[in-house]
Amino acid sequence: DTGVSQDPRHKITKRGQNVTFRCDPISEHNRLYWYRQTLGQGPEFLTYFQNEAQLEKSRLLSDRFSAERPKGSFSTLEIQRTEQGDSAMYLCASSLDGSLTFGSGTRLTVV
Amino acid sequence: KNEVEQSPQNLTAQEGEFITINCSYSVGISALHWLQQHPGGGIVSLFMLSSGKKKHGRLIATINIQEKHSSLHITASHPRDSAVYICAVRVQGGSQGNLIFGKGTKLSVKP
Repeated sequence: DTGVSQDPRHKITKRGQNVTFRCDPISEHNRLYWYRQTLGQGPEFLTYFQNEAQLEKSRLLSDRFSAERPKGSFSTLEIQRTEQGDSAMYLCASSLDGSLTFGSGTRLTVV
Repeated sequence: KNEVEQSPQNLTAQEGEFITINCSYSVGISALHWLQQHPGGGIVSLFMLSSGKKKHGRLIATINIQEKHSSLHITASHPRDSAVYICAVRVQGGSQGNLIFGKGTKLSVKP
């Protein structure tokens, strides 16, 4: 297992399009987290899964955002009708014992 | 006022210098993380601590729960230490990954 993988690394999309990102956590990690980071800022928590259950959602996660972890393994984050304000780095992390392992992130640019 | 404040925002050091980065927080916490982020976005977890002091190689992290303050020290700094260092706290009663992040301290170590 090589760590947390995120795909794609970069995504450029036109405003109004839908995008989907994927995160593959470390296989034995039951907890998975999504964060968003805009330029010059620290990351912000978006949502948290324990196994396949989505246990927490930030109020930052508007109704255009949806996340799933259907079998308790990989997770997807979908953004519908993208807006320029959605441009950011989307980070995924997984955890077993509280210590987080982060992926390299997906950088989204909405033009 | 942010709940997690880091200082300084930017730090330039000469190779070999001893470096201290500070983190103050205003909420009750159950754990504090120090993270390292390199250009390109990838985040590496350096320390997770809830009391006392931890050491790993040239890195030392301390926390004073009563004073709501943590420091990250780098001894014998090297140009490869150049990165953004981020402090993040887990609020008491929150999930492991629902963290409040500081804005980061950008460290540049000159040879």
